[in-house]
Amino acid sequence: EDQVTQSPEALRLQEGESSSLNCSYTVSGLRGLFWYRQDPGKGPEFLFTLYSAGEEKEKERLKATLTKKESFLHITAPKPEDSATYLCAVRRGAQKLVFGQGTRLTINP
Amino acid sequence: KAGVTQTPRYLIKTRGQQVTLSCSPISGHRSVSWYQQTPGQGLQFLFEYFSETQRNKGNFPGRFSGRQFSNSRSEMNVSTLELGDSALYLCASTLEAGVTDTQYFGPGTRLTVL
Repeated sequence: EDQVTQSPEALRLQEGESSSLNCSYTVSGLRGLFWYRQDPGKGPEFLFTLYSAGEEKEKERLKATLTKKESFLHITAPKPEDSATYLCAVRRGAQKLVFGQGTRLTINP
Repeated sequence: KAGVTQTPRYLIKTRGQQVTLSCSPISGHRSVSWYQQTPGQGLQFLFEYFSETQRNKGNFPGRFSGRQFSNSRSEMNVSTLELGDSALYLCASTLEAGVTDTQYFGPGTRLTVL
């Protein structure tokens, strides 16, 4: 069965303090790993899709990387507005996404 | 381009009632997926529709059903509501149904069952 585990569950950083969020997965025939950001009371907002090991994508202060067993979301010099829950999901085929439980990130000014 | 819209945004129902939620995908998108989000279980896949046909279904009881119309708008229905059905119901739209297509989520409908 496809499984996605995110760590840590919660992370509190000071503004400007860089860190990484982890997403480890077990899925046969990965057809995409997705990162989303979710603010309280809102739907997930798409960030990145990664398809193959070694792939990297960047957007502003965020950089996502992928290996054969896990993905990292690196956040560089974060700002308070980066506070949110970050969700990782995998897809084996069709449109069904399997989500991790998320990492709740808080950036203190 | 307008994003995914969901109506209503909030609903309060009592046990035993039924409810219908609506989702309008991004213009031009033909695939709609539904998810349930709860604090304990996280985001769980309910079902996916493409061209008015259900293509994929998650592990939910038959009380959960859905449909898609010719304009790609979708509805999901929950009958005989239970307390455990309280959740945020999210709709996601995709351009086609290919495996490389990204799902874009709406704001969700918050359902509270009393």
